[in-house]
Amino acid sequence: DTGVSQDPRHKITKRGQNVTFRCDPISEHNRLYWYRQTLGQGPEFLTYFQNEAQLEKSRLLSDRFSAERPKGSFSTLEIQRTEQGDSAMYLCASSFSLRDYNEQFFGPGTRLTVL
Amino acid sequence: GQSLEQPSEVTAVEGAIVQINCTYQTSGFYGLSWYQQHDGGAPTFLSYNALDGLEETGRFSSFLSRSDSYGYLLLQELQMKDSASYFCAVLSTNDMRFGAGTRLTVKP
Repeated sequence: DTGVSQDPRHKITKRGQNVTFRCDPISEHNRLYWYRQTLGQGPEFLTYFQNEAQLEKSRLLSDRFSAERPKGSFSTLEIQRTEQGDSAMYLCASSFSLRDYNEQFFGPGTRLTVL
Repeated sequence: GQSLEQPSEVTAVEGAIVQINCTYQTSGFYGLSWYQQHDGGAPTFLSYNALDGLEETGRFSSFLSRSDSYGYLLLQELQMKDSASYFCAVLSTNDMRFGAGTRLTVKP
């Protein structure tokens, strides 16, 4: 257990439905990252926050995806109008930003299946 | 463009030494990380190199050459539990980009 939690752990939904995932990072970490991972691939960067500010968002991320970190603590990732191609493991990671060091602690992930 | 290359598979025997190479192409480079992921688990951090040279942590060492855009992970005294996927990841100005992973199989 890294101290990063994600909820739910599994989500099955029908195409076209909206889903929301939650991530609770390690409390003293100011950076929070979202990734998507499919079988046999590395984690794919989606977006990241420093405190409550969303600093970067992948160009691959469609407008159906939105993320928030309202108080600089937990974060939510929402996918609207889900498609079968959205089926993947969604990983959250947190870190403390240092100039010369970056150690990210990953949560267990939310596995999304879109039928 | 941005890219990360690492071998897809490596096989070695218990007690041996294995080196997993990673070459990258990116702008705004900050550092190179290595993560381990067992089947069904989440990635776990192994090392981070921001400067050229070798970083050693127990049985694992990581090397970076910024001028060559190249790094490697060295695993010594391999154990069965080291069988996993290993990812190099580049931290840059805009994002954290992972390679496709190297699946290491350790045989008795």
